Order: sequence, then structure tokens, then C-alpha cells
Amino acid sequence: GAGVSQSPSNKVTEKGKDVELRCDPISGHTALYWYRQRLGQGLEFLIYFQGNSAPDKSGLPSDRFSAERTGESVSTLTIQRTQQEDSAVYLCASSSRAVAGVSGELFFGEGSRLTVL
Amino acid sequence: AQKVTQAQTEISVVEKEDVTLDCVYETRDTTYYLFWYKQPPSGELVFLIRRNSFDEQNEISGRYSWNFQKSTSSFNFTITASQVVDSAVYFCALSRTQGGSEKLVFGKGTKLTVNP
Repeated sequence: GAGVSQSPSNKVTEKGKDVELRCDPISGHTALYWYRQRLGQGLEFLIYFQGNSAPDKSGLPSDRFSAERTGESVSTLTIQRTQQEDSAVYLCASSSRAVAGVSGELFFGEGSRLTVL
Repeated sequence: AQKVTQAQTEISVVEKEDVTLDCVYETRDTTYYLFWYKQPPSGELVFLIRRNSFDEQNEISGRYSWNFQKSTSSFNFTITASQVVDSAVYFCALSRTQGGSEKLVFGKGTKLTVNP
């Protein structure tokens, strides 16, 4: 597609359930990011994938959070045993790296709004 | 550690006023990038500008202008003759360009409301 696609756009779940959020980056973009945005707050970095390099997981808040990416395609963010504080918009972004070491513009998806009851 | 501070949480102006959004950053890197993003009420972040740490020239794009000052670690954003459509949350961000992870570190954002 033309842009970053995320699904579901909205997810309501009960506390304790697992959820899976999906991100389809722009074709050809080697870098993929997950951010979390709580209501009225800034963007909190979660995880970064770059090609086949080991992902930077330094932002994952707990071991209930995990993410995978196959090659340079789709990524899945999984939250196990959800808690109410996990309620937020989860934003995915992708970017290209024309030259190694140069940060490219991030293109964001519309986000997946997660509500944990 | 990298950090971005946007001290202004909310700003409210009347249409046609000029408004400046402040951004102060901290980094130990010698080379880095600075960004501004706009998040309108619809929610999707929109890229506005990227600036390399070696390029301190100010930039103007229509009603938007950016003032990058390495000496004060600031990258301020000015909207001239603001319009209602400028109402949004604006985020300043910082990334490293040296090896390793290139995650963007965002400030907490400044909510701008432009009233008619």
C-alpha cells in the first residue's frame, strides 16, 4: 500500500487477555518502529527493527511486551496478560535508509487504539 | 542519554498571530538529526522537517520557519500568521546518526490551538 497500515484500528479487551497488533510498513522500508502514546502524552519508544540487525528492545516496558518482524515486512506487537495501564494508541512507523547511518523521515500509521477494561 | 524538552504544554493564539514552539534537546552525539512532527486531531503524525546537526542554517517553508541553534541546543519552530488548520499537537524529536539504534526520541509535545 501507499502508507503504513496498522490493524486493528481499535481493540477493546479485558484485563488479562493477550492482544496482537499488526503493522504493514511501506514497501522497501528497512526500518520499523513501535511507539506508544497514552492519552494526552508524548510518544514513548518501544522497539526498533532495522533490516536483519538485532532489534533495539530497550523501550519495551515489561516482559509482557514482545514484537517480531520477518525480514523487512510485517511486524507484530504482542501484549500478554494486558493491564489497564496498557491502554494507549500504539503507533507504528517505517523509514528507509538511503545511506547507512543517516536517519530518514519516519512515516507513521494511524495507530491501533487499545482499551483494556 | 538523549532527551527532548518541550516546555510549553499548551499554547492558545488567535488566528493571524505568530507563534513559536520551543524545543531544547540533550545529546552526547556529535552528529544527530532533529525533527518536527505535527499530529492533527485525526491522530496521524505528519513529518514537517529534518535538520542535520551540521547544518545550522535556518529554514523557511511558507508560513513555517525553524531556528536551529547548537550553542543553546534548541530547535524552535515558528508559525507566522497562524490559521485554524494549524491547530494540532507538535512534537520535536531527536535521533542519532552514529552506529547502533536510530530510534527517535520525542518530546512530550505542545498542543497548539488557533482560535478564529
